[in-house]
Amino acid sequence: EAEVAQSPRYKITEKSQAVAFWCDPISGHATLYWYRQILGQGPELLVQFQDESVVDDSQLPKDRFSAERLKGVDSTLKIQPAELGDSAMYLCASSADGMNYGYTFGSGTRLTVV
Amino acid sequence: DAKTTQPPSMDCAEGRAANLPCNHSTISGNEYVYWYRQIHSQGPQYIIHGLKNNETNEMASLIITEDRKSSTLILPHATLRDTAVYYCIVRVAGNAGNMLTFGGGTRLMVKP
Repeated sequence: EAEVAQSPRYKITEKSQAVAFWCDPISGHATLYWYRQILGQGPELLVQFQDESVVDDSQLPKDRFSAERLKGVDSTLKIQPAELGDSAMYLCASSADGMNYGYTFGSGTRLTVV
Repeated sequence: DAKTTQPPSMDCAEGRAANLPCNHSTISGNEYVYWYRQIHSQGPQYIIHGLKNNETNEMASLIITEDRKSSTLILPHATLRDTAVYYCIVRVAGNAGNMLTFGGGTRLMVKP
């Protein structure tokens, strides 16, 4: 069964450092999402890509967060500088038109900022 | 997307049916009801979805009321591995660009 790959699985970083997460969606999925999930809450959307273009980044804190999907395949989410409040699970999901069952999520990256 | 309302937590005895309710009183005619679940420290997993007819698959059954304002996810024989947070989401299907908007979900605890 095809999966969405994410790495690293866990990341501990110090406040004010830079951190990056990587996502490889299911082959052929044009739509890619990054979500952030704070402990005890549901996931919230950060950014949506259609191929290499950003469709929605209204919830992305652009002063410190950036996301790219240069060739329309894999994607990187970066935080610089990291803050204590950024500690969360970062989830990547992918989807394709006609895929009525919604998205396939990766296992996420658990970020701890100390 | 319409909002959904779910109880924050529920318990269920192992081997019994788990019935998880969801209210979506403002659902639009072209919006489907989706259910996902999230086991601790994993990404959300698709369970089932439906428009107006009841649906069943190998994981669960989905019962949607005739007025479509509420639904129930049924896990017919809950096991300890079904302990998870269950999310009910309404969304227009078919277009990958229609995002999933998660609420708080229901934390289901299956007990021995």
